[in-house]
Formats: sequence, structure tokens, C-alpha cells
Amino acid sequence: EAGVVQSPRYKIIEKKQPVAFWCNPISGHNTLYWYRQNLGQGPELLIRYENEEAVDDSQLPKDRFSAERLKGVDSTLKIQPAELGDSAVYLCASSWTGQSQYFGPGTRLTVL
Amino acid sequence: DQQVKQNSPSLSVQEGRISILNCDYTNSMFDYFLWYKKYPAEGPTFLISISSIKDKNEDGRFTVFLNKSAKHLSLHIVPSQPGDSAVYFCAASDQTGANNLFFGTGTRLTVIP
Repeated sequence: EAGVVQSPRYKIIEKKQPVAFWCNPISGHNTLYWYRQNLGQGPELLIRYENEEAVDDSQLPKDRFSAERLKGVDSTLKIQPAELGDSAVYLCASSWTGQSQYFGPGTRLTVL
Repeated sequence: DQQVKQNSPSLSVQEGRISILNCDYTNSMFDYFLWYKKYPAEGPTFLISISSIKDKNEDGRFTVFLNKSAKHLSLHIVPSQPGDSAVYFCAASDQTGANNLFFGTGTRLTVIP
């Protein structure tokens, strides 16, 4: 069974530029999560989807971050414009509702 | 405010000995606890979990202990192997059923051959 797929794996951009991350969850998983992991910290939840609905986006900085989950499968997380403090690893995870989460390898973003 | 804390950023253990990783939490609403293992350039991988109705859960070389009164849990690895060298994250979820995880800052375990 294929795991959670994320792309790109690495991204380097200059501040004020836009950037987008893509996630393909494990087939059949209805819940999808986006986390941000800063250096030396644990992952922190940004947004959680149940199917195509964003049911918890309380930690998502909505002034510059946006996300969507098309048809309840793939998801895209966007930052526009990026700031220096956005440099981090962005992790996508998926699960059946209430079950253990499976993480992708993450996208390491560097903002210069 | 960090609700899940791992106060030891690193731990070194000789191969074959026991590794003990510790985790403390502050939110009494947490009722499910997990340990994740993370290798460089990979996402966290689920290792073992425990519900608040239990005080111990064992899976092969890995055992998690939960002390609810102290709001403390620990992961024991016996015997430790070089392949166990990784960063270990403690995580907790609350009773809302939302399955949102709150992570600690991680402990880097190095098992010395």
C-alpha cells in the first residue's frame, strides 16, 4: 500500500514569493492533516479536513495561508506571500476518522 | 504554551541496554497518547500508543507506561539496537474525538554499537 505522498520535497524561495505544497493521502483515508514543524520543535497542526470539509483551521494563519482538498482526496497548501518565518518542514498526514495518523515525508521550505 | 513536553533533547545508550524516553503533559483532557519515531528526511512513523484507561502497553521491544496522576508517560526500549537511533516524539490527543495531535519537541536517541 502506498504511503502519503508529498511534493516537492524541498523548496527554496525568496520572501514575498508564493509557494504551494501538494499532498496525496493514503487511498481511502477520509481525514487529512497539514502540520508545520519548525526546527527543533514537534509538528503543529495547521488544518484538518474530513473529506473535503476543513473542520479545524483555527491554527492556520489565514492572512497568507490557504488550503484546499479537491474532491476529498488530494490537498494543496499555499502560502502567499511567504515570509522568512515560514521556513519549516510542512507535513501532511492522513487517517481514517479517529484512527492513527500516517505521515508523509514532508516538504522542507526555505525562505531567503 | 507547550502542552506536551519532552525535557530531554537527547539520549545516548549502549546497544543492548534499556532506553527510557520521558514525556510530560499538562492538559488533563488528553486521553490518548502516542509515540512517533522519525528518521532524517522522513515523516514521523507511528510506534506505539496507550489509552488513558490503561497504564501499560507493550509491543515487542517497546513498552509505554502512563502515570495519569503525574501526567507522565515513558517509552522503554529493551534491548536497544543501533537501528533505534532516531528522534522520538511524544503526542497526545484530547477527548473531543477530533484526533488532533499535540506533539512534544522530541528526544534524539543515539544507540551506540
